[in-house]
Amino acid sequence: GEQVEQRPPHLSVREGDSAVITCTYTDPNSYYFFWYKQEPGASLQLLMKVFSSTEINEGQGFTVLLNKKDKRLSLNLTAAHPGDSAAYFCAVSDGGGSNAKLTFGKGTKLSVKS
Amino acid sequence: NSKVIQTPRYLVKGQGQKAKMRCIPEKGHPVVFWYQQNKNNEFKFLINFQNQEVLQQIDMTEKRFSAECPSNSPCSLEIQSSEAGDSALYLCASSLNLSYEQYFGPGTRLTVL
Repeated sequence: GEQVEQRPPHLSVREGDSAVITCTYTDPNSYYFFWYKQEPGASLQLLMKVFSSTEINEGQGFTVLLNKKDKRLSLNLTAAHPGDSAAYFCAVSDGGGSNAKLTFGKGTKLSVKS
Repeated sequence: NSKVIQTPRYLVKGQGQKAKMRCIPEKGHPVVFWYQQNKNNEFKFLINFQNQEVLQQIDMTEKRFSAECPSNSPCSLEIQSSEAGDSALYLCASSLNLSYEQYFGPGTRLTVL
């Protein structure tokens, strides 16, 4: 089945710095890609969805890049602030039929120091 | 913001006891997923439904776990005989369809003593 590797497991940056989190996946049939943010004690908040026809998506303060050739997905927080401190998870789905479950990376705990 | 409701937020059970948790999906979302997030942040898919029908479930779910999504009632996930290894955050997610993004509830944190 699909395997997703996420790096780094921990990331500490200063306010205003960029932070990059990367996931690699194994199943070439994976079609839908998501980034979720989880603050301590809270649930998963959807940050961004990326579909196979999209390579770059920009959100508020972050950019998501999908490289299907390398089976790599990355989240780039362009100017981190303390409110970005949280765990971030990538998730991958083939979106097909009943097998639409998400396969998650193990997460990156981001700490942004002011 | 997600409108998936999960109850209870915290659940403490002894080994061998039943543990039941509930989920109300976002209005209009016919697809429901249950995941288990352990203390190492490893997510495990348990089961998914479309309307009241089970689409897929893992072996673990078939043996000690039971789940249902009855019409006009909350979905539920029940562990028949809790084990220490079941201690985790149980997350319910709903979606408009199988190809769309999943929105998660706050989770039920189960502790099995």
